Amino acid sequence: NAGVTQTPKFQVLKTGQSMTLQCAQDMNHEYMSWYRQDPGMGLRLIHYSVGAGITDQGEVPNGYNVSRSTTEDFPLRLLSAAPSQTSVYFCASSYSSGSNQPQHFGDGTRLSIL
Amino acid sequence: DQQVKQNSPSLSVQEGRISILNCDYTNSMFDYFLWYKKYPAEGPTFLISISSIKDKNEDGRFTVFLNKSAKHLSLHIVPSQPGDSAVYFCAASARSNTGKLIFGQGTTLQVKP
Repeated sequence: NAGVTQTPKFQVLKTGQSMTLQCAQDMNHEYMSWYRQDPGMGLRLIHYSVGAGITDQGEVPNGYNVSRSTTEDFPLRLLSAAPSQTSVYFCASSYSSGSNQPQHFGDGTRLSIL
Repeated sequence: DQQVKQNSPSLSVQEGRISILNCDYTNSMFDYFLWYKKYPAEGPTFLISISSIKDKNEDGRFTVFLNKSAKHLSLHIVPSQPGDSAVYFCAASARSNTGKLIFGQGTTLQVKP
C-alpha cells in the first residue's frame, strides 16, 4: 500500500517563483492536511480539508493555496515563493476529522527558496 | 502562543533503561493526545494516543500517562532500544476544533547501546 505520497521530494526555487506540491492518498481518507516543519517549532498546520470540495485555513496559511477536487488529491500551491517558506512540508490524511483519528503522513518535500 | 510544549530538546539513555519524554499543554479544550515518532528523511508515524477521559494507555513497551490537573503528559519507553532513537512529537487535538493537530517542538531521543 502506498499510503500518502508526496512529490517532489526535493525542490529549489528562486524568490517569486510559483510551484505546486503534490499529495495523494490511496486509503479513501476524508481528512487531509498540510504541515510545515521548521527547526525548534514542531509541525504547524497550513491548510486542511474535511472532504472533497471543502478546505479551510490552519495556523500559518499566508502565501499558500489549496484545493480538493477529489478525495485522493490535495495539492499545495505556493503563489510567489519567499525565503521564509524554506521548510520541510508534510501532507497527512486520516479517515475522518475526529480528534481521535491518528493521521498518516507522507515522507515530506524539502523546499529551499533562494 | 505555544499551546503544546516539549521543553527538553534532547534526551540520551542507555539501552535497556527507561526513556521518559514529557509534554505540557495549555488548552483545556484538548480531548485527545497523540505521540508521533519521526526518523530522518521520513514522515512522522503514529505511536500511541490517549483520550482525556483516561490517565494511562499502554501498548507493548510504550505507555502514555496523562495528568489533566497539571496539563501534562509523558511517554515511557521500557526497555529502551537503539531502534527507538528518533524525534518524538507530542500532539493534541480538540473535538471542537475539527480535530486539528497542535504539535510540540519535538524531543530527540538517543538510545546508546
